[in-house]
Amino acid sequence: DVKVTQSSRYLVKRTGEKVFLECVQDMDHENMFWYRQDPGLGLRLIYFSYDVKMKEKGDIPEGYSVSREKKERFSLILESASTNQTSMYLCASRERTSGGLSYEQYFGPGTRLTVT
Amino acid sequence: QKEVEQNSGPLSVPEGAIASLNCTYSDRGSQSFFWYRQYSGKSPELIMSIYSNGDKEDGRFTAQLNKASQYVSLLIRDSQPSDSATYLCAVRFSGAGSYQLTFGKGTKLSVIP
Repeated sequence: DVKVTQSSRYLVKRTGEKVFLECVQDMDHENMFWYRQDPGLGLRLIYFSYDVKMKEKGDIPEGYSVSREKKERFSLILESASTNQTSMYLCASRERTSGGLSYEQYFGPGTRLTVT
Repeated sequence: QKEVEQNSGPLSVPEGAIASLNCTYSDRGSQSFFWYRQYSGKSPELIMSIYSNGDKEDGRFTAQLNKASQYVSLLIRDSQPSDSATYLCAVRFSGAGSYQLTFGKGTKLSVIP
């Protein structure tokens, strides 16, 4: 079974703090993703990484950065947390496909972040 | 603009009935389609993937794909209260941005005992 874990289920931080969200997968997947999910807005892609040390901006990268130093770990960093970053953060991973159709993507349990 | 559209619901069905969830997408060249189930407060769980026109069955779930109509659906037979959740449709579009999945906003299903 694919297993994606996230460092915290619930996190409360103060405005201006630097926040680290960690994600680890144990399936040797090349691709990893960070999303946030908000009521009425659905899932929105923040950043993704298709290999170690490689990253690409998603749809809403402003205010975030990422780090992928090892294949199994993908970190999301909120440089200076703001109240509008209060959200559910979801990490996902997927094996690399070479011209194939399968883009099956597996999610971690999520981190509900509250910024006060 | 590449979009995935779902009726937000809620869709209410009685226990034992067939629940039908629908999804349309904007890119005719799309090739990979997925259904995720998300319980309240939990993360999305992959339940079905489909790549070819027609039906794909897995237990009580059937995914149906019609690429000509740009339409994918999920049927849940013998619906149970435990099926009550939000169902997300996800599509891998062709061309630029094809690296990622685009998700619909989900349909909330309520199965009434």
